[in-house]
Order: sequence, then structure tokens, then C-alpha cells
Amino acid sequence: EIVMTQSPGTLSVSPGESATLSCRASQSASINLAWYQQKRGQAPRLLIYGASTRATGVPARFSGSGSGTEFTLTISSLQSEDFAVYYCHQYNNWPDTFGQGTKLEVK
Amino acid sequence: QVQLQESGPGLVKPSETLSLTCTVSGGSMWNYYWNWIRQSPGKGLEWIGYVYRGGTTNYSPSFRSRVTISVDTSKNQFSLKMASVTAADTAVYYCARKGTTPATWFDPWGQGTLVTVSS
Repeated sequence: EIVMTQSPGTLSVSPGESATLSCRASQSASINLAWYQQKRGQAPRLLIYGASTRATGVPARFSGSGSGTEFTLTISSLQSEDFAVYYCHQYNNWPDTFGQGTKLEVK
Repeated sequence: QVQLQESGPGLVKPSETLSLTCTVSGGSMWNYYWNWIRQSPGKGLEWIGYVYRGGTTNYSPSFRSRVTISVDTSKNQFSLKMASVTAADTAVYYCARKGTTPATWFDPWGQGTLVTVSS
């Protein structure tokens, strides 16, 4: 199975600044990569699919890029509601696998 | 707008069978893949398996030997049964929809239900 590795484990950023989260796949996931946001006590929420397509209702400050084995989620001009845990998910190879998450916290 | 809601016992004894149901509202179950995913502090997010249409299933190798997922489209529900549970199966269990092929993302998700395995 494809192992997804996210970095860093925790990212401390000030509101208004930008954050860059990374996800690496142990083998090619093509562009079959999604990003989710999870807040405490809630289910994950889809942000990005197809590596770079924003889901319905997701603000434009969220952007995804990458293909193959290297993927990035960038959040510009961080708002208070953006501080959460973010997960990547590859659905290119069976079985689906997730990264271990990056916690985005207030600096 | 499709919504999913998990239900079932929050406490299961070791060696017994965990049973959960996901109720789908606001849309048809036809043509989509209906999944179970769990989340624990030790293992993170793990895909368990899916059911499709008339009962076609696919399970993660990690769970295949002790998991059954079934669907009842007349009730707009699908279910998870996991046998021989241990404390390691303590987790939040989510149901989630995939698109019209398995190679798609999970959206939406249910709110999740915590299942604790303990005597």
C-alpha cells in the first residue's frame, strides 16, 4: 500500500500569514490526492480533490498543488477558523491511505 | 444535500462483534460507494471498506478477515460488522460517501461515533 507522509507534524503560524503543508507518497499517486481539514470533535471536511480542485464552498485562500509523489496544501492569509489538523488522502492505489496529519496552530 | 449519520453501541466487550449503521438522507444511495473509516490516536485514519449497489464489497486487507459491510437501500442504510474486537479497535468510526467510482475522495462524512472496546 502507498504510505503517505505529512510534514511537518506541527506548524505554528501567525494569523494573516501563509502556511505550506506537505504530503509525500511512497509511490506515485498521480493527481488522485485529496486534502481534508479536521477540527476538534468534528469529522474531516473535504477541502481539495484531484490534487488542486477546491471542493464546493472552500475559500480561495486554500490551494493545492503537486502530482506523483509530492503534494502541497497552501493556505494564504490564515484566518482563526483555519487552525486545525489537515490530512492528505491518496485514492490512486488500493487500498486508500491517509497521512498522519499536520496540526496547524497559532503562533 | 446528502447527510450521513452513524448509530450503534458506544461500548463493546472484547471478543464480541461491533455493529454500526449509517443512515443516508437527502439523496439516493444508487451509483455511489459507501464507506467505513475509523480514526484512533495510534493508527490515525484507516479505511475499512466499502459497499456498492446490490452489495458488492471491498475491504482493506487489514480488516478483511473479520469485517462485513452490507447495504439496505430500501432503508437508505448501510452497516458495518467487525468481529472479535479488541481494545485496539477502540476508535471513532465514520461513514462516508465516495463518488461513482472507487477512485474518488470521501465526501460527505458522518459526524462519527466513538466505539470503546472494554469489559
